[in-house]
Amino acid sequence: EDQVTQSPEALRLQEGESSSLNCSYTVSGLRGLFWYRQDPGKGPEFLFTLYSAGEEKEKERLKATLTKKESFLHITAPKPEDSATYLCAVQTGGGNKLTFGTGTQLKVEL
Amino acid sequence: DTEVTQTPKHLVMGMTNKKSLKCEQHMGHRAMYWYKQKAKKPPELMFVYSYEKLSINESVPSRFSPECPNSSLLNLHLHALQPEDSALYLCASSPLTAIAKNIQYFGAGTRLSVL
Repeated sequence: EDQVTQSPEALRLQEGESSSLNCSYTVSGLRGLFWYRQDPGKGPEFLFTLYSAGEEKEKERLKATLTKKESFLHITAPKPEDSATYLCAVQTGGGNKLTFGTGTQLKVEL
Repeated sequence: DTEVTQTPKHLVMGMTNKKSLKCEQHMGHRAMYWYKQKAKKPPELMFVYSYEKLSINESVPSRFSPECPNSSLLNLHLHALQPEDSALYLCASSPLTAIAKNIQYFGAGTRLSVL
């Protein structure tokens, strides 16, 4: 059975304090790894998809990387508006199912 | 534009009511999804429609009945729900084309409360 584990569960940063969120996975046949951002009471917002080990994607203050066992979401010089829950999800097999991790709740303070 | 529109935003229903949730996208996506999300938990897949046909049903109770009338529209019919069914119901869609085929785009959700 596919397993996705995210750490830490919660993270509190000061504005400008860079850090990384981790998503480790145990799956058979990874087709893609996805990062989403979710604000309270809203639907997940797509950030990145990574398909193979060594791949990296960047968008503003966020950078996602992928190895054969885990993915990192690096946040450089975060701002309060980066506060949200960050979800990692994997897609395996022949269908379109996403298996989500439990998320990291990030709070960035002034 | 990657917009998935869900209505209503909020719904309160009794256990004997029948109601429907609606989801619409005009991006030409050929897969559509229903997810259920409880507070502080990740989304859980309920149903997947590919090319308007039900392709995945994650053993969801029959009080939830999905319908895909056309490639742009997805409904979730609700009947005789239980209080534990209270949750945020999310709809998503994905292109199924060669490039970026797997990316799922989510709507804002319907917050459902069952009394």
